[in-house]
Amino acid sequence: KAGVTQTPRYLIKTRGQQVTLSCSPISGHRSVSWYQQTPGQGLQFLFEYFSETQRNKGNFPGRFSGRQFSNSRSEMNVSTLELGDSALYLCASSSSTHNEQFFGPGTRLTVL
Amino acid sequence: AQSVAQPEDQVNVAEGNPLTVKCTYSVSGNPYLFWYVQYPNRGLQFLLKYITGDNLVKGSYGFEAEFNKSQTSFHLKKPSALVSDSALYFCAVRDNRGSQGNLIFGKGTKLSVKP
Repeated sequence: KAGVTQTPRYLIKTRGQQVTLSCSPISGHRSVSWYQQTPGQGLQFLFEYFSETQRNKGNFPGRFSGRQFSNSRSEMNVSTLELGDSALYLCASSSSTHNEQFFGPGTRLTVL
Repeated sequence: AQSVAQPEDQVNVAEGNPLTVKCTYSVSGNPYLFWYVQYPNRGLQFLLKYITGDNLVKGSYGFEAEFNKSQTSFHLKKPSALVSDSALYFCAVRDNRGSQGNLIFGKGTKLSVKP
């Protein structure tokens, strides 16, 4: 099976712009979670989707949003980018909530 | 509040020696515990998990972890370290409030294995 894929791998944006990141989970996995990784804050949970429904959301401002499609692919959007949004954004999928999550390689977002 | 602590920012080990990376947790109810490894500029790779059953869990690449309920710990171990084990290791607990499945991660421990 192919692993979790994320596109693009690298992204450079300027403050005030918006960005959309994409994640394709492992085939058959219906749960997709997003995490932000920064040197200062570590790995922080953004949101979790299951069968096109947001099941849980982390403590991030409303500028961060996401969605999941019927084929389980997911996108996350960040509007009005700030310098502090520079991070590695990781997507993970799992077959159920009790199983391990498998992570993609991440999208490195740099905000200038 | 549910949390995970990795008390060591860095662990240094000589190749061939045993290694231990420490993790303690705080959760309500039964914990679902995980270890992941991250190599530079890569995503996280799953190593092992504890859901229930034997307290000693064996995982990928020769790693194992011991679940200790009384000490609320889940330390990662390997009998003989390799230079290629050098990486960033994360302990995580599943947020078991309700039906969500997101993970709560520790800050990570950098493992350095010297030849």
